[in-house]
Amino acid sequence: AQSVTQPDIHITVSEGASLELRCNYSYGATPYLFWYVQSPGQGLQLLLKYFSGDTLVQGIKGFEAEFKRSQSSFNLRKPSVHWSDAAEYFCAVGATRGTGGGADGLTFGKGTHLIIQP
Amino acid sequence: DAGVIQSPRHEVTEMGQEVTLRCKPISGHDYLFWYRQTMMRGLELLIYFNNNVPIDDSGMPEDRFSAKMPNASFSTLKIQPSEPRDSAVYFCASSPGGGEGVDEQYFGPGTRLTVT
Repeated sequence: AQSVTQPDIHITVSEGASLELRCNYSYGATPYLFWYVQSPGQGLQLLLKYFSGDTLVQGIKGFEAEFKRSQSSFNLRKPSVHWSDAAEYFCAVGATRGTGGGADGLTFGKGTHLIIQP
Repeated sequence: DAGVIQSPRHEVTEMGQEVTLRCKPISGHDYLFWYRQTMMRGLELLIYFNNNVPIDDSGMPEDRFSAKMPNASFSTLKIQPSEPRDSAVYFCASSPGGGEGVDEQYFGPGTRLTVT
């Protein structure tokens, strides 16, 4: 079964500073990787996804993530954060369809709470 | 498309009462998922359906929980009887299906359930 670890429960950055949120996954084959963002009182919104191909993927709102197979990581980055980026960020991993059990679902990390300082 | 629709957005009920949460997935999506989110346990997959058929309900906490999908545009999650520890935000999500791997899921706004 797959698993996801987001090592940082909280991260505080200054507005305009760069951001990197860490995500490590465990899965025996090529994973399908996602980053979601959740604003307070809202559902989850997809930021970006990685299925195959270029290991650097671009998403919405100026976010990007890089898949590194050797490190089992899929870290999320943004060059300059805005106050509106304050939210909860979730990394998720999915498996190849039809491999049984909950394989068609996503396994989410516990989330990283991003705080933006003025 | 209006996205995934959930109702009610908030539900407050007393312990022992029956609670029914509703979800309308995005039209044309083959998969529907129910998640529960709490501070302690994060996001947990409860059950999911493919073409209205339940595929995996191993995440359903106990027999008090049940879910149905009578047609492609409607699903319910029922808790009977409800208990205070069921207090959480319940999300419904749908995804298109048809690809080799899992697709991105589109989440509804959630139902915040409080059981007193």
